[in-house]
Amino acid sequence: QVQLQESGPGLVKPSETLSLTCTVSGASFNGFYWSWVRQPPGKGLEWIGHIYYSANTFYNPSLESRVTISVDTSKNVFSLKVNSVTAADTAVYYCARGVYDALIDRWGQGTLVTVSS
Amino acid sequence: QSALTQPASVSGSPGQSITISCTGTSSDVGGYNVVSWYQQHPGKAPKLMIYEVSERPSGVSNRFSGSKSGNTASLTISGLQAEDEAAYYCCSFAGSSTWIFGGGTKLTVL
Repeated sequence: QVQLQESGPGLVKPSETLSLTCTVSGASFNGFYWSWVRQPPGKGLEWIGHIYYSANTFYNPSLESRVTISVDTSKNVFSLKVNSVTAADTAVYYCARGVYDALIDRWGQGTLVTVSS
Repeated sequence: QSALTQPASVSGSPGQSITISCTGTSSDVGGYNVVSWYQQHPGKAPKLMIYEVSERPSGVSNRFSGSKSGNTASLTISGLQAEDEAAYYCCSFAGSSTWIFGGGTKLTVL
């Protein structure tokens, strides 16, 4: 059974870098879009980006200058970094598996990251 | 990249049908038959309900159906049940392997 689990700090200071890891079990990395989606408290979902075939990355144009997604298949993890964070980056961050464009079939449980000094 | 436009809220009584719209542009919803719908209960991760405009994943009730006309996609839920009360989000391919979500619609079952 495919499972995804986010991990990382729950509190990040303004201007610093948010770093999260998603551990994947029960699935191969090839052929899927390994994605990050976030949801500010009380608001809607926002696609952050994904990595495809371990090398091709695609990002939301509004976040592209601050975001990096990478994968380490030897450890069965993929990661998210968001630079220069502000309070607007406070959100529940989900890692997810896409099987086709806009088609996400597996989600992590989500992890709340708060940006505050 | 602006979010696709969805009504903030819709409501219906048990047994009734409701439709949620999702309006984009010719660069996303209108340009591709790649629209999905997700259901999200409070505090939970989203769940896929419809993909490729009108396809239902295995295990999703046939009370859920999707369609598209021009730049607007729609999700219809027939025979409303209490457990359908949730937030619903559309998601579309937007070219160059990018995706975009709608702002979300809260469904209230009266």
